[in-house]
Amino acid sequence: EIVMTQSPATLSVSPGEGATLSCRASQSVSSNLAWYQQKPGQVPRLLIYGASTRANGIPARFSGSGSGTEFTLTISSLQSEDFAVYYCQQYNSWPPGTFGQGTQVEIK
Amino acid sequence: EVLLVESGGGLVQPGGSLRLSCAASGFTFSSYAMGWVRQAPGKGLEWVSSIDGRGGSTYYADSVKGRFTISRDNSKNTLYLQMDSLRAEDTAVYTCAKLRSTSCYTWVDCWGQGTLVTFSS
Repeated sequence: EIVMTQSPATLSVSPGEGATLSCRASQSVSSNLAWYQQKPGQVPRLLIYGASTRANGIPARFSGSGSGTEFTLTISSLQSEDFAVYYCQQYNSWPPGTFGQGTQVEIK
Repeated sequence: EVLLVESGGGLVQPGGSLRLSCAASGFTFSSYAMGWVRQAPGKGLEWVSSIDGRGGSTYYADSVKGRFTISRDNSKNTLYLQMDSLRAEDTAVYTCAKLRSTSCYTWVDCWGQGTLVTFSS
């Protein structure tokens, strides 16, 4: 089973600063990777699919990059509503759907 | 509007069984793959299982393989998860997920609110 590893586990950032989250796959997933945001008590929200395509309504401060085994989610200038847990998910390799363990972005 | 409503969660004893259901509306159910994702208390998302639009292909996480069975009834717009030989580590909120296409090899574009499965001692 493919393993998705996110780093860091927790990222402390001041509002207005940028943040870079990483996701690594144990084998190539091409560009078949999505990023989700989850706030406490809420269902996840799709941010990025195809490694770099923003979902409908997602602000331009969110951007995704990478392919193969290394991926990055960048938030250019954190707003108060961006403090949440972020998950990557691969949908390329069997079995499809594996999530990373998440990165919590907290207020510094 | 896409709506996914789960039911069937509750208290169960180790070794017991539960059948979760997810009633879908607002889209052509048979045209989309569906899945189940769970989240244990205070933990991250764990993909559990998925099934393609016609029900011909199914996938399971290693942690549930052989114990859980995913199925769908396209005539009733309903997704199911039969959970047998339940273990304490299966305690979680189980959430129904609509995938972006008929294939399971795609992302989640809509989530239900979840149903809680917990264990009684």
